[in-house]
Order: sequence, then structure tokens, then C-alpha cells
Amino acid sequence: NAGVMQNPRHLVRRRGQEARLRCSPMKGHSHVYWYRQLPEEGLKFMVYLQKENIIDESGMPKERFSAEFPKEGPSILRIQQVVRGDSAAYFCASSPGQGITQPQHFGDGTRLSIL
Amino acid sequence: GENVEQHPSTLSVQEGDSAVIKCTYSDSASNYFPWYKQELGKRPQLIIDIRSNVGEKKDQRIAVTLNKTAKHFSLHITETQPEDSAVYFCAASINGNKLVFGAGTILRVKS
Repeated sequence: NAGVMQNPRHLVRRRGQEARLRCSPMKGHSHVYWYRQLPEEGLKFMVYLQKENIIDESGMPKERFSAEFPKEGPSILRIQQVVRGDSAAYFCASSPGQGITQPQHFGDGTRLSIL
Repeated sequence: GENVEQHPSTLSVQEGDSAVIKCTYSDSASNYFPWYKQELGKRPQLIIDIRSNVGEKKDQRIAVTLNKTAKHFSLHITETQPEDSAVYFCAASINGNKLVFGAGTILRVKS
């Protein structure tokens, strides 16, 4: 059973470009979470999605950032017009959802570097 | 909103000794408390978790305790080994939804 798959592992963008980060949850998992981690800091919640629905986006910046989890295909975190401050590791986690509390399992992350 | 504080920020222990990391949370509605281990450049890995209906949970050399009244929870690692060296994060959540993480503890086990 493959774990949470994220790609790309590393992404380099110039200021003003767009960054697209992909996350395929573990098989059977329908809940996806995105977190951002700055160097030597903890993880900060960004957004929680279920298939075709955004459940909680309270940690997402209001501008330039968007996320989706379509009926088919991976979840996408999109950052438009990137700035230097967007440089970070972006982790995706998934859980089965449904019923009792289920642990979240993380992918290997995408390290985004803005030139 | 929820806030999680974690102490200490760094911890050095001799191989074989015990290590204890403590966290406090602010939202009394939180009912799920996982601990993650993260090695440099790697993904956070779940090592143990506890739900608010229990006070303690143990898995081999790792144990977690929860004091709901004081809103404290702690990670205990016994008989530490060099491979335990990593950054450890506590987190709190309501029903396993968005995790609010502590700032992390760098654990160094000296051989």
C-alpha cells in the first residue's frame, strides 16, 4: 500500500511565476491536509479538503493561494505570483476520515525555492 | 484558536538515559494528541498518539501521558538510542482534523 505521494520533491520558481504542488493520498483515504514548514520551525496548517470540498481553509493566505481535491486525480496546492517568502517545505497528509479520529500520515513534502 | 507550546526546544541525553518532552495546549475541546518524529529532510512520522479518553499509552520504549485538567501531555522515551536523534513534534486537534503543532524539540542522543 503506497504511502502519501507528493510531487515534485523539489520545485524552483522565479518571483512572479506559479507553483503547483500535487498530493495523492494513501489508498482508501478521502481526507487531505496541507501544511507549510519553514526552516527549523514547526508545521503550520493551511487547508483541509475532502473530495470536491474545502472543509477548512483557515490557515491559507487569502490571496495567491488556492487548493483543490477533485473527484478524480490528486489534490493540488496552487500558489500564484510567488514571492521569496513562499520558500518553504509543503507537506501533505491524508487520513481515512469517517467515524472515529484517524491519524494523519504525511508525504515526503515538496521543497519550494523562489529565486 | 488552539495554541500548542512545546518544551524544551533542544534536549541532549546520554545513550540509555530517558528523554521527556512536554507540551501544553489551550483549547479544552482538543481531544486527539499525536507525536511525530522528523529526521532531517524527511517526512514527519507518527510515532504514537493518544485520545482524550485515556491518560496514558505505551508502545515499547515510547509512552505518552495526558492530563486533561492541566491541558498537558508528554512524550517519554526510555533507553534512548542514537537513532532516536531527530526533531519531535507534538500536536493537538479536535477529532483528528487540522493539527496544531508545537515548535519542535531537537533530541540529540550521545553515544
